[in-house]
Amino acid sequence: GAVVSQHPSWVICKSGTSVKIECRSLDFQATTMFWYRQFPKQSLMLMATSNEGSKATYEQGVEKDKFLINHASLTLSTLTVTSAHPEDSSFYICSAPDGTTQETQYFGPGTRLLVL
Amino acid sequence: RKEVEQDPGPFNVPEGATVAFNCTYSNSASQSFFWYRQDCRKEPKLLMSVYSSGNEDGRFTAQLNRASQYISLLIRDSKLSDSATYLCVAPSHLFFGTGTRLTVIP
Repeated sequence: GAVVSQHPSWVICKSGTSVKIECRSLDFQATTMFWYRQFPKQSLMLMATSNEGSKATYEQGVEKDKFLINHASLTLSTLTVTSAHPEDSSFYICSAPDGTTQETQYFGPGTRLLVL
Repeated sequence: RKEVEQDPGPFNVPEGATVAFNCTYSNSASQSFFWYRQDCRKEPKLLMSVYSSGNEDGRFTAQLNRASQYISLLIRDSKLSDSATYLCVAPSHLFFGTGTRLTVIP
């Protein structure tokens, strides 16, 4: 089946630094990718929709200047958490829809971010 | 009201038991629903799609009740390996429920 990878799988950083997370579709092309955030014991919350060749669409309450998204190619989307703070510590997951039906989502393994 | 609501559980059931979860949704126009399974500290994995006619896959059965706006997941003959959090999703993967935690006990 289709595979989505994320890198890094975990990161620890100091408050104020920026962290870049990559999401790659390994064997299929994805014009759209989704970025989610999941806090402990909570549901996945959609942060933004990454669109290849155009600006990302952010969900209400998500700061676009803090969470920079770049869909550089049909297989790569990046999420940069700028000036990270401890409250940004979370599990960040990307997903990409099946290229044929657009209904099945393939999730990356997630990135655990801990901001000290 | 949240788009999707689930009973967080936890559900603790003995091996071999039958267990059912419900998930209510608020948008009556929603067409497609999904059940995902998420193991601790892992990404969600698709378990089943749920359409108007329902869906059955082995020990798992998913149903859609449009009149009452809920979807259900039934697991028969529970296995230890079924222990996980089950997430319902609607529509089009934009809204996830908080998940229902299932623990199957030996």
